[in-house]
Amino acid sequence: QVQLQESGPGLVKPSQTLSLTCTVSGVTVTAGGYYWSWIRQPAGKGLEWIGHIEASGDTNYSPSYKSRVSLSLDMSQNQFSVDLASVAAADTATYFCARARGTYYNWYFDIWGRGSLVTVSS
Amino acid sequence: SFVLTQPPSVSVAPGQTATITCDENTIGGRNVHWYQQKPGRAPVLVVRDDSDRPSGIPERFSGSNSGNTATLVISRIEVGDEADYYCQVWDTGDHLFVFGSGTKVSVL
Repeated sequence: QVQLQESGPGLVKPSQTLSLTCTVSGVTVTAGGYYWSWIRQPAGKGLEWIGHIEASGDTNYSPSYKSRVSLSLDMSQNQFSVDLASVAAADTATYFCARARGTYYNWYFDIWGRGSLVTVSS
Repeated sequence: SFVLTQPPSVSVAPGQTATITCDENTIGGRNVHWYQQKPGRAPVLVVRDDSDRPSGIPERFSGSNSGNTATLVISRIEVGDEADYYCQVWDTGDHLFVFGSGTKVSVL
């Protein structure tokens, strides 16, 4: 059974870097055919895709975050992580990690973590 | 990229049918996926590839996609189906995931 679990600080100060890790069980992050993704959701609002990383280490980011986001993979720990720099109050949200599966023309999220609430405040 | 438009809310009586739309000019040529999100929970995939239900999803959930509109239909709706529903597509050109704006389904 594949499971994803987010972890990281629940409180980050403005202008600092938000860092979260997703621990994967039931499948290795080196397995081909998946995009390991981060999605966020401000309270009361919709889902926003942030970016994803493949087993090869290749990444793709939403234009909305591209200038200040970085995703990485830790194969030894079977984890993937997100760093979001220069955060502000507007970055307060629940952050989900998720696994996407699909083909060149079609991808969707089949497994999600429970989410991690991150508040940006001094 | 492009925008997927959903109605903000849909209200139906128990046992009736809820219809949730997802509009975009090119959507008929794409694969559309639908997620159910209950308060305080992670989204759950309820329909993939326009009309395919993952294992464990009741037959009451069905989907279709044609022209400018993709549709999620919940038949014989139950109080437990109250949730936010999001459509999602893959932007092949820019390699991006795009979510719809979300629809809150209330069972009155």
